[in-house]
Amino acid sequence: GAVVSQHPSRVICKSGTSVKIECRSLDFQATTMFWYRQFPKQSLMLMATSNEGSKATYEQGVEKDKFLINHASLTLSTLTVTSAHPEDSSFYICSAPRDAWTQETQYFGPGTRLLVL
Amino acid sequence: AQSVTQPDIHITVSEGASLELRCNYSYGATPYLFWYVQSPGQGLQLLLKYFSGDTLVQGIKGFEAEFKRSQSSFNLRKPSVHWSDAAEYFCAVGRSDTIGGSQGNLIFGKGTKLSVKP
Repeated sequence: GAVVSQHPSRVICKSGTSVKIECRSLDFQATTMFWYRQFPKQSLMLMATSNEGSKATYEQGVEKDKFLINHASLTLSTLTVTSAHPEDSSFYICSAPRDAWTQETQYFGPGTRLLVL
Repeated sequence: AQSVTQPDIHITVSEGASLELRCNYSYGATPYLFWYVQSPGQGLQLLLKYFSGDTLVQGIKGFEAEFKRSQSSFNLRKPSVHWSDAAEYFCAVGRSDTIGGSQGNLIFGKGTKLSVKP
């Protein structure tokens, strides 16, 4: 089956630094990728939709200047958490639909755990 | 507003016993419904989905779910649980404000953690 990878799997950083998380579709092209955030014992919350060749679409309440998204190619989307603070500590998950039109089959990455000290 | 409720935070069942995980949704029209499983270190894996048609949906790993419109429910079932089924299970609904019912724009429940006793 299709595979989506994320790198790094976990990262610890100091408050005020920026962290980049990569999401790659390994055996298919994804013109759209999605970024979710998951707090402990909470559900996944959609943060933004990453679109190859155009600007990302952010959900209400998500700061676009805080969470920079770049869909650099048909297989790579990056999420950069700028000037990270402890409240940004969370589990970040990306997903990509194999079929860009129907988007029925969605593949999720294993997630990146961010800890901001 | 659309929402998904999974009433049980944690369930423990004995290996070989039957399983039912509850999911209730709030939605104004026919929803797109999904069940995902999340194991530590693994990405979310789709177990099954309901878009339309037969309300009893068969999925992978022996799971099934039944869509009941009158109860706004989409409960997940398995007749005999295996130790490898221990994981976190998420119910999700596709958002209505997405073009073409994009699966990507999902609203997730908080999840139910399943533990399996030997």
